[in-house]
Amino acid sequence: DTEVTQTPKHLVMGMTNKKSLKCEQHMGHRAMYWYKQKAKKPPELMFVYSYEKLSINESVPSRFSPECPNSSLLNLHLHALQPEDSALYLCASSQEAFSYEQYFGPGTRLTVT
Amino acid sequence: QKEVEQDPGPLSVPEGAIVSLNCTYSNSAFQYFMWYRQYSRKGPELLMYTYSSGNKEDGRFTAQVDKSSKYISLFIRDSQPSDSATYLCAMSEGGGSEKLVFGKGTKLTVNP
Repeated sequence: DTEVTQTPKHLVMGMTNKKSLKCEQHMGHRAMYWYKQKAKKPPELMFVYSYEKLSINESVPSRFSPECPNSSLLNLHLHALQPEDSALYLCASSQEAFSYEQYFGPGTRLTVT
Repeated sequence: QKEVEQDPGPLSVPEGAIVSLNCTYSNSAFQYFMWYRQYSRKGPELLMYTYSSGNKEDGRFTAQVDKSSKYISLFIRDSQPSDSATYLCAMSEGGGSEKLVFGKGTKLTVNP
């Protein structure tokens, strides 16, 4: 099973809402990532978890809050987002942190109104 | 100068054509070179990876790395409409501490 799943597929939220994105993998990977991708742009790294510990935060605003409850799950909690935060949010996983072989999920398309 | 340069296209070819996609880079420390394929509204899918210089073939796909020229290529033979997607190159220094650096992606359309 080389699948990374993400829920929901689509999310529309107001600027005062609180919502969460979820990601799951069952490949036994020890590293998980959140990326943000705007239209016609490459993915931008947001966070890296290695062995369930946050190892990289790419200066992401605090309105994005990651959480890794266990080695298979990764959440991204959203609060007080701005319209410019609308994007495709991608989760990925790999055997070890920063491995070249990363497996991406299908993404959550987020629209902030 | 950006670390990784990739022509965004769009590139449109007839079915059966040979497609050449390219990236150039400036960081000589890059050791791992990847190509991801991303269909519309989907996540990127790892297509091929190469370590250091050389060629790698997988079916209709061939990846080439020329470290002396800081230039990588992906060739698609006998292109199919199902190959229509955005192709992203990505690179890494390796060593377990450096993130992937992506190109902007090239949008490819293969016309039946």
